[in-house]
Amino acid sequence: SAVISQKPSRDICQRGTSLTIQCQVDSQVTMMFWYRQQPGQSLTLIATANQGSEATYESGFVIDKFPISRPNLTFSTLTVSNMSPEDSSIYLCSVEVPQGDSLNTEAFFGQGTRLTVV
Amino acid sequence: KQEVTQIPAALSVPEGENLVLNCSFTDSAIYNLQWFRQDPGKGLTSLLLIQSSQREQTSGRLNASLDKSSGRSTLYIAASQPGDSATYLCAVRSMDDDYKLSFGAGTTVTVRA
Repeated sequence: SAVISQKPSRDICQRGTSLTIQCQVDSQVTMMFWYRQQPGQSLTLIATANQGSEATYESGFVIDKFPISRPNLTFSTLTVSNMSPEDSSIYLCSVEVPQGDSLNTEAFFGQGTRLTVV
Repeated sequence: KQEVTQIPAALSVPEGENLVLNCSFTDSAIYNLQWFRQDPGKGLTSLLLIQSSQREQTSGRLNASLDKSSGRSTLYIAASQPGDSATYLCAVRSMDDDYKLSFGAGTTVTVRA
């Protein structure tokens, strides 16, 4: 398993400002994942963060809006930039741990960051 | 592209009743399926992981079955308690989608005392 510490757990921010979310894992992992969960909806993958390289963003998400850092194998940050009320969501970081062979991995999540933009 | 559906969207039962939560997916070419619990405004807690070669997994009062050929999984929670009230999500890891997880929208469960 993996234990993930994510902070802040929640924040209320003014529009036009930025918020950086931190994610710390208790073991070294190759990839870390950032998801968004808009109110009443399921999870959408924002990007995959690899240590030592640029993050890979999913369609509809761009680096200017969601810059990601991955300085080492246990830590990552996601910044939500120039926020608007539409960015109000729960943001979650995740890691995947192999179960037996490398193709069968189990996903573990942080506690989530509940962001409200006013 | 994999699509995951969870029906019903919400469920309310009296304490002690067994819960049955359904998850269906459109592409049977999967590596595994995972069930999660989410409390309001919080992250996801992994409940059970079923690999594609398995038919079911059990953990305490929880039992999850997988019928890959028909694209279905069911999560059973025995003797429900008010503490089981939460949203339950299933996620499928597909072979044809760059190994990414596809999530259902969840079933929100309320167990009445």
